[in-house]
Amino acid sequence: AQSVTQLDSQVPVFEEAPVELRCNYSSSVSVYLFWYVQYPNQGLQLLLKYLSGSTLVESINGFEAEFNKSQTSFHLRKPSVHISDTAEYFCAVSLWGGATNKLIFGTGTLLAVQP
Amino acid sequence: EAGVTQSPTHLIKTRGQQATLRCSPISGHTSVYWYQQALGLGLQFLLWYDEGEERNRGNFPPRFSGRQFPNYSSELNVNALELEDSALYLCASSPRLLGVGTEAFFGQGTRLTVV
Repeated sequence: AQSVTQLDSQVPVFEEAPVELRCNYSSSVSVYLFWYVQYPNQGLQLLLKYLSGSTLVESINGFEAEFNKSQTSFHLRKPSVHISDTAEYFCAVSLWGGATNKLIFGTGTLLAVQP
Repeated sequence: EAGVTQSPTHLIKTRGQQATLRCSPISGHTSVYWYQQALGLGLQFLLWYDEGEERNRGNFPPRFSGRQFPNYSSELNVNALELEDSALYLCASSPRLLGVGTEAFFGQGTRLTVV
């Protein structure tokens, strides 16, 4: 069975500091990997995704994630965070084909940026 | 282009009642997914509809059901409401093959409170 693990439920960090949100997955088949962000009282927005090709993917707001197949990880990083980055971040894997067309999410990591 | 829209935004019901939640997907998307986001439990996959058929369901009791209409909008019904059904219910849509260069787009959610 496929699963996603986000070990850190909450990550407090000061503004302008670097941050890494960890994500590990388990799957016996190839998957696509996503990071979604949920701002307070809102739905989920796609932050970035890995489908194939370069293992380093970037978002427009400075986040990046690296797919590491040997470690089955897809950690999210940002070199300098802003107060506005405070949100909950979800890592997800997608399964497709047949009856398994769905996203499986981790339990989320709350990024709390402090001034 | 309009995104995924959900209604109502908030819903308050008493235990034992039925709740109906609605979702309109992005134009051109045939797949609709429902997720439950309960406090402390992350996002749990509920149901996947495509082309009017239920294609897959998560580990939820039968009192969680729904349907997809010919215009691809969808309805989630929760019968015999229990207190633990209180959660944010998120709807997402995608083209048929999730993950093949595509992503799921989420609505803002319906906050269901059972009292």
